[in-house]
Amino acid sequence: DTEVTQTPKHLVMGMTNKKSLKCEQHMGHRAMYWYKQKAKKPPELMFVYSYEKLSINESVPSRFSPECPNSSLLNLHLHALQPEDSALYLCASSHTKGDEQYFGPGTRLTVT
Amino acid sequence: GQQLNQSPQSMFIQEGEDVSMNCTSSSIFNTWLWYKQDPGEGPVLLIALYKAGELTSNGRLTAQFGITRKDSFLNISASIPSDVGIYFCAGPTVSGGSNYKLTFGKGTLLTVNP
Repeated sequence: DTEVTQTPKHLVMGMTNKKSLKCEQHMGHRAMYWYKQKAKKPPELMFVYSYEKLSINESVPSRFSPECPNSSLLNLHLHALQPEDSALYLCASSHTKGDEQYFGPGTRLTVT
Repeated sequence: GQQLNQSPQSMFIQEGEDVSMNCTSSSIFNTWLWYKQDPGEGPVLLIALYKAGELTSNGRLTAQFGITRKDSFLNISASIPSDVGIYFCAGPTVSGGSNYKLTFGKGTLLTVNP
């Protein structure tokens, strides 16, 4: 089973809202990732967690706040987003850092 | 940082035709990954390559890890309408010590006319 699940599938939020994206995997992977993807572009890395510790933050604005409560779960907390933050947000996991990554279906986020 | 040059950017083909796309880099990669992404969905891993010269198949898909470790090819034989999508090559690169991140090519948009 190489499944990564993400909820919600779609999210519309205003610029003053607070929302969270959730990601889950049960493959025993110890590395988890958040990506942002704009239309017809490759995914852009935002954060990497390895063994539940943040190991890479790609200079992401503080209005995006990641959290890894345990080895299976990854959250992305959103607050005071801008319309340009509208995108497909992808979660991925891998056995360890450097291994092939498996992606979830994504959350389509629209900021109004 | 390391970059992957993926070509072609887009392809328009007839159903039944074979397709070939490639990725090149000025740097050596130890792993090459090929993903396919359907509209509104996440990328799906098609093939992973780990050794220079390796040739791996997955159904109608065949990918090769170049001998120089600086390139990789993906071929699709006898294309069908459901092959439509964006194909990305990717490879892990070291970032800041022991951290790794995936470097992606810009993608090849494949359109198959029935």
